[in-house]
Formats: sequence, structure tokens, C-alpha cells
Amino acid sequence: EVQLLESGGGLVQPGGSLRLSCAASGFTFSSYAMSWVRQAPGKGLEWVSAISGSGGSTYYADSVKGRFTISRDNSKNTLYLQMNSLRAEDTAVYYCAKAPISSTWGTNFDYWGQGTLVTVSS
Amino acid sequence: DIQMTQSPSSLSASVGDRVTITCQASQDISNYLNWYQQKPGKAPKLLIYDASNLETGVPSRFSGSGSGTDFTFTISSLQPEDIATYYCQQYDNLPPAFGPGTKVDIK
Repeated sequence: EVQLLESGGGLVQPGGSLRLSCAASGFTFSSYAMSWVRQAPGKGLEWVSAISGSGGSTYYADSVKGRFTISRDNSKNTLYLQMNSLRAEDTAVYYCAKAPISSTWGTNFDYWGQGTLVTVSS
Repeated sequence: DIQMTQSPSSLSASVGDRVTITCQASQDISNYLNWYQQKPGKAPKLLIYDASNLETGVPSRFSGSGSGTDFTFTISSLQPEDIATYYCQQYDNLPPAFGPGTKVDIK
């Protein structure tokens, strides 16, 4: 059974940093691209970033480019999102999501974690 | 960037009704479209992939159709457990984009 478990969310001040983690199990982690998708309170879904199975290719939404970094440790079956220079508009539930094996960029999603809330506020 | 629109933004229907949601892409995306269901306080769940393929384990009352720029999602007989927000999503191009969602509830 595929399981994705996010952690690392919390309250951070504007300009601060946070690192999210997503522990994966139930599949061969290194074979699948992964993404982070966020959802601001009461709003819709917004893709944030994707990474290939090997970690060699990464992609970012313009809204986070230069501030967020996606990475993965395939030996630990864990996906990360390093978030720097956080803004109030980054407040959201952050989901990690697994792409199917056929996915070109890891930007379509067959499994999602339960999400972790990031609140950026002074 | 490709923009996705959905209509209606919300709907209310009776148990057993047929429910249809439309999704439109701002340019041709072939069949690179997914439909997700999100219940309150929960993560999204994949229902339909590649525009018309039912994900394993998803009830057959859910279906999808379309290609190019115009897509349709249908619940053939609405059930109480189908109360949720439904999102379409294109993955033909970067960045991937979601529609704004359609909130479905029971009349």
C-alpha cells in the first residue's frame, strides 16, 4: 500500500525558513517522480515543484522559483521541500504527491499524502 | 501558461441524479487531463486519468470524456458519499494547472 507522510509544517515568521519532509513507503521510491502541491486555506490546488526519480531534474512554479528547493534522498525514501524567504502568501497545506510511472515531469498524481500546514505570520 | 476553467463552480443535486461538470483548457492538451475528488479536510484523490480512464478501485458511476480543450466529468447516479469538491488538472505542459474546482452537495 502506497503511503506518503508529510511532516515539518508549523508557524514561521515572514522571511523565515522551513523544511518539509515526506516519508514514502509501499513502492520503489527511486523509480517515481514526486511533486509538492499546496492549498491555501479555503482555496484551490496549486502545484509547487516536481523532481524526477533520480533527483536529476527539478521543476518549479514561478511563484516559488529561487526561494524553494525540492530534493530527495532515495536511500531514505524521503522527499523534501526547503522553503526560504517565506511570505504570508505561502500559507497553505502542503501535500506531497506521487506521479505514475508514465509521467513525463512528475506533474500528474496518483497518490497524495495527508498534508502539513505551513502558516507564515508575525 | 495553460489556464483551466470549470463550470459550474458549485451545484446541488438529489441522490440518484446525474451530475455533469465541464472543464476547459486555454489550449489543446490532448488527453493529458486528470479529475480529482477532495472531501473536506482530506487530500485529493485521483478518480480519472488521461481524460477518460477510471482509476483502479473507483466506482463505475464516475466517468470522464473529452480531448483537446473540452472535457466532461460525470457522476451517473449521485450518492451521499460523493459530496466533495472536484478538480480537473492538465499535465500536458509545465506548469501543470488545476481548475478552480466544482463543489458538489446534496439537495
